[in-house]
Amino acid sequence: DTEVTQTPKHLVMGMTNKKSLKCEQHMGHRAMYWYKQKAKKPPELMFVYSYEKLSINESVPSRFSPECPNSSLLNLHLHALQPEDSALYLCASSQASFRSGANVLTFGAGSRLTVL
Amino acid sequence: DAKTTQPPSMDCAEGRAANLPCNHSTISGNEYVYWYRQIHSQGPQYIIHGLKNNETNEMASLIITEDRKSSTLILPHATLRDTAVYYCIVKGWETSGSRLTFGEGTQLTVNP
Repeated sequence: DTEVTQTPKHLVMGMTNKKSLKCEQHMGHRAMYWYKQKAKKPPELMFVYSYEKLSINESVPSRFSPECPNSSLLNLHLHALQPEDSALYLCASSQASFRSGANVLTFGAGSRLTVL
Repeated sequence: DAKTTQPPSMDCAEGRAANLPCNHSTISGNEYVYWYRQIHSQGPQYIIHGLKNNETNEMASLIITEDRKSSTLILPHATLRDTAVYYCIVKGWETSGSRLTFGEGTQLTVNP
């Protein structure tokens, strides 16, 4: 299995809702990532997990809460979002420590979030 | 991590080679050059990476100049499906999940 699977593909939520984005991989990768991408812009890093521990948080607002329950799963919990948080949310994984391979990320297709 | 400079857009005729340049004049000795691409509305896709030797795989070739200050990604026979944004990233490897940062990239349009 060489894929990163993200669910749901599309999500519409109100500003008072609580929802979650899910990401799963079975490649034995021990680093997992969340990126946010606005239209016509490059992906922006949000969080990095390494060996199930949060290693990088790019000063993301607390209304985004990541969780890594095990080495194959990554969640992004969403609460009290704003319309400007509407974007494509991308999950990725990589080998955590294998020289240059640590920067070879496999991305999922993304979850397109719309906040009303 | 060294900064990279890429042209914002390029065009290529279908069936011809697409040569995408990237400047990275401040690259240091232990930093690799990575290329990713993102087809519209899909997640980015890893293409190839290299340190100083030229590299080739089933998708592309990577040519790195001897002084390592620039590189070229070559798609030998471009197809319409190669239309995408191509990102050149320079990064040293780390022992844990790393901060891989995407610049603006080059929008390659392959024309019939």
